[in-house]
Amino acid sequence: DTEVTQTPKHLVMGMTNKKSLKCEQHMGHRAMYWYKQKAKKPPELMFVYSYEKLSINESVPSRFSPECPNSSLLNLHLHALQPEDSALYLCASSPRQGRDSPLHFGNGTRLTVT
Amino acid sequence: QKEVEQNSGPLSVPEGAIASLNCTYSDRGSQSFFWYRQYSGKSPELIMFIYSNGDKEDGRFTAQLNKASQYVSLLIRDSQPSDSATYLCAVIEDGPSGSARQLTFGSGTQLTVLP
Repeated sequence: DTEVTQTPKHLVMGMTNKKSLKCEQHMGHRAMYWYKQKAKKPPELMFVYSYEKLSINESVPSRFSPECPNSSLLNLHLHALQPEDSALYLCASSPRQGRDSPLHFGNGTRLTVT
Repeated sequence: QKEVEQNSGPLSVPEGAIASLNCTYSDRGSQSFFWYRQYSGKSPELIMFIYSNGDKEDGRFTAQLNKASQYVSLLIRDSQPSDSATYLCAVIEDGPSGSARQLTFGSGTQLTVLP
């Protein structure tokens, strides 16, 4: 078990649906991340929040919308997704932006878009 | 473009042997290096991180960093079948225009430890 909690574990949605992925950590970490991972590929960075401010958006389509309501929570709002968006979505957090500050990953949400 | 390269494998070693996983990186400014283990269908799990030249040992795992050669490796001693997984090398890099740092992953090496 990890200290970064992601819900739901699995999600199946149609292309016209709106859904949200949630991530929570209570380790006092001030940086939070969304990664997308396709099968047999490494995780790809989507968004970085540092002190609740969006600091990196890696040219992600607007159908993905991140939100950081407070320092413990991170959401990813999904709308009008495509089948190719099916993947494992990973949330991670780190204490700070220092060189000795590894990322801790949640268990991920397995998303299937039909 | 900053790159992190790993030999994709698959790499097979017999139980009890030493498994050696290698990673090179392109950005000389990279400061910290991480090894994650990922079982199929699971999320990455941190094994070790290193930011000083030389060796760092933790149990059966040893990370080695050579900044001059831009090379980082992970040795697994006394390999066990439970070590069979994909091992991801990752590098901390500064984001664009001084923004937050980000973790860039290599493509991963699939390791199989044969009983």
